[in-house]
Amino acid sequence: AQSVSQHNHHVILSEAASLELGCNYSYGGTVNLFWYVQYPGQHLQLLLKYFSGDPLVKGIKGFEAEFIKSKFSFNLRKPSVQWSDTAEYFCAANTGGFKTIFGAGTRLFVKA
Amino acid sequence: KAGVTQTPRYLIKTRGQQVTLSCSPISGHRSVSWYQQTPGQGLQFLFEYFSETQRNKGNFPGRFSGRQFSNSRSEMNVSTLELGDSALYLCASSADRASTDTQYFGPGTRLTVL
Repeated sequence: AQSVSQHNHHVILSEAASLELGCNYSYGGTVNLFWYVQYPGQHLQLLLKYFSGDPLVKGIKGFEAEFIKSKFSFNLRKPSVQWSDTAEYFCAANTGGFKTIFGAGTRLFVKA
Repeated sequence: KAGVTQTPRYLIKTRGQQVTLSCSPISGHRSVSWYQQTPGQGLQFLFEYFSETQRNKGNFPGRFSGRQFSNSRSEMNVSTLELGDSALYLCASSADRASTDTQYFGPGTRLTVL
């Protein structure tokens, strides 16, 4: 069965630290990948997505993610986090069947 | 454009009852997906509708059902509620059915089953 795994459930960082959140998916065919973010009290919103082309994708607020097909991974990165990045981050995959599978989420807390 | 709206925002029900949740997508969006969000489980896919047709369904029991109307508004129904159905139910809309489409989420309906 298709699945998405997020390695860390909780991450605590200090401001200006670098961030990398892991995401792995289990599907051997063509896959479209997404990172969504849920800030406290707000709706889920798209950070970035990959479906073809350059495997390094840039999103909003300085986030980027790299698709590594050989590792079935789509890790999210940010070189320097801010307090305002405190949120829950979800990795998601869509294999073309109009069904998007989400990971369990990673709660990021950034200390000011 | 107005965003995705969901009603009601909060519901408290008792075991055995049934509940209907409503979702109005962004104007012009024809695809609506429903998810159940619980702590530690992330979002679990319930079903997806496009042009009044359910085109995909997640691994939920038959107590969970849905429908979509001609104006793209969607409802989901849960019958014979169980304690484990307590969750945040999210609706998301997208413009089309492409698997690359961004989904736009509503605020959710928080369902508590006592």
